[in-house]
Amino acid sequence: DIVMTQSPLALPVTPGEAASISCRSSQSLLHGNGYNYLDWYLQKPGQSPQLLIYVGSNRASGVPDRFSGSGSGTHFTLKISRVEADDVGVYYCMQALQTPVTFGQGTRLEIK
Amino acid sequence: QLQLQESGPGLVKPSETLSLTCTVSGGSISNDTFYWGWIRQPPGKGLEWIGSVYYSGSTYYNPSLKSRVTISAETSKNQFSLQLRSVSAADTSIYYCAKQRGGYLFSFYSGMDVWGQGTTVTVSS
Repeated sequence: DIVMTQSPLALPVTPGEAASISCRSSQSLLHGNGYNYLDWYLQKPGQSPQLLIYVGSNRASGVPDRFSGSGSGTHFTLKISRVEADDVGVYYCMQALQTPVTFGQGTRLEIK
Repeated sequence: QLQLQESGPGLVKPSETLSLTCTVSGGSISNDTFYWGWIRQPPGKGLEWIGSVYYSGSTYYNPSLKSRVTISAETSKNQFSLQLRSVSAADTSIYYCAKQRGGYLFSFYSGMDVWGQGTTVTVSS
């Protein structure tokens, strides 16, 4: 199985400041089509996960441009340029290159 | 707008079979670019992928659960289902169904872009 490792696991942020979450995979997530099969999801309190970023850097429909994804191979980053109160929750990275699909442990973003 | 809704018993006895259904509305389960999956989340913990099904019936399972899991698609009802046999307390979780566009054998992939609201299943006698 591909192991996904996120850091940090907890992220206190002041509103308006930037935030960054790292995700590393135990194997390259680069598909033969040139895309990295790495997604980012946000699970807000009491809600289902929602897709933020797919194939490493593409924003899902309706996701604000404050959210951006980057990286390739085994190292990926999710950046939030200006954190808002509504961004609180647990952020997960997920690989879909191989089955079983696997998730990172999650990073809990909280507002200071 | 495509929506998913999980349904099934909220309480299952140990050693019995957990059975859940995900109903697809606002779209067709027979769309040939989608996979339909199940993911679970134990109380206070992270996400675990259970498996996925294509409308034709092709399946992918998590090896950690494969011996106990069956996922199937029922195109006439626009539903897909999960059966988990011989459950124990460790199977107590919120179970989500989700739609995935592409991936696996496809040359494109767009993530799990639609999720159900989740259904809580408790395994207890």
